[in-house]
Amino acid sequence: TQLLEQSPQFLSIQEGENLTVYCNSSSVFSSLQWYRQEPGEGPVLLVTVVTGGEVKKLKRLTFQFGDARKDSSLHITAAQPGDTGLYLCAGAFGNEKLTFGTGTRLTIIP
Amino acid sequence: DTAVSQTPKYLVTQMGNDKSIKCEQNLGHDTMYWYKQDSKKFLKIMFSYNNKELIINETVPNRFSPKSPDKAHLNLHINSLELGDSAVYFCASSQWKNSPLHFGNGTRLTVT
Repeated sequence: TQLLEQSPQFLSIQEGENLTVYCNSSSVFSSLQWYRQEPGEGPVLLVTVVTGGEVKKLKRLTFQFGDARKDSSLHITAAQPGDTGLYLCAGAFGNEKLTFGTGTRLTIIP
Repeated sequence: DTAVSQTPKYLVTQMGNDKSIKCEQNLGHDTMYWYKQDSKKFLKIMFSYNNKELIINETVPNRFSPKSPDKAHLNLHINSLELGDSAVYFCASSQWKNSPLHFGNGTRLTVT
C-alpha cells in the first residue's frame, strides 16, 4: 500500500498570513489531486496535477507538483477564514487505486 | 441538483443490527465508490464498482456488502454492526478509475 504523508497535520494561522502544506511519497505518482473538505460535507476537488514541475493557480491557491512527481505543495496567499478546512491530497500510482493522504487541518483565525 | 446523494445523513444503531446506506449519482459516471473516514479523518477506500461490476474490494469484513443495481446507484449493507464500524461513510463517483472524485455529503454511522 502506497503512503502519502501530509504536513503539517494541523495548522492554525491568522487571517492574512501565507501558508504552505505538503504532500510527500516515496513513490512516483502518475497524477495527484487536491481536495478540501468542510465539516459535515464530502471532499471537493480543487485541482489535478499530472506533469512533473507543473504549477496551477486557483485564485489565492497555488499548487505545485514536484519535478520527480513524488511530492506536491499547496500554497495559500493571504489566507481567509473561508479557507478553513481539511486539505487532502490523493495520488494515483500507475493503474493502482487512488490513495488519500493523511490530511492537513487548517484553521484561519479572523 | 445534488450530484451525489446518499441517505441517511445520520444513522445511530445498536451493536448486532443490520443497516443499509443508499447512494445515487446523476452525473452519468461509470465508476462509484464507498470510502470510510475514521475519527482521524483518514479516508480509506472500501469498494469500487465500474458499470455495476466490482473492481476494487479492499480488506473489509465480509459483513459489508455493496450492491449496484445500476451504474447510477451503489448501496452498502452492513450486517451485525460492531462498535468499530462507527465512522463517516462516503459515497463517490468518477468518470473513470482514478479520475477526479465527486463525493456525497457522508453518512455518520454511530454504533452503540
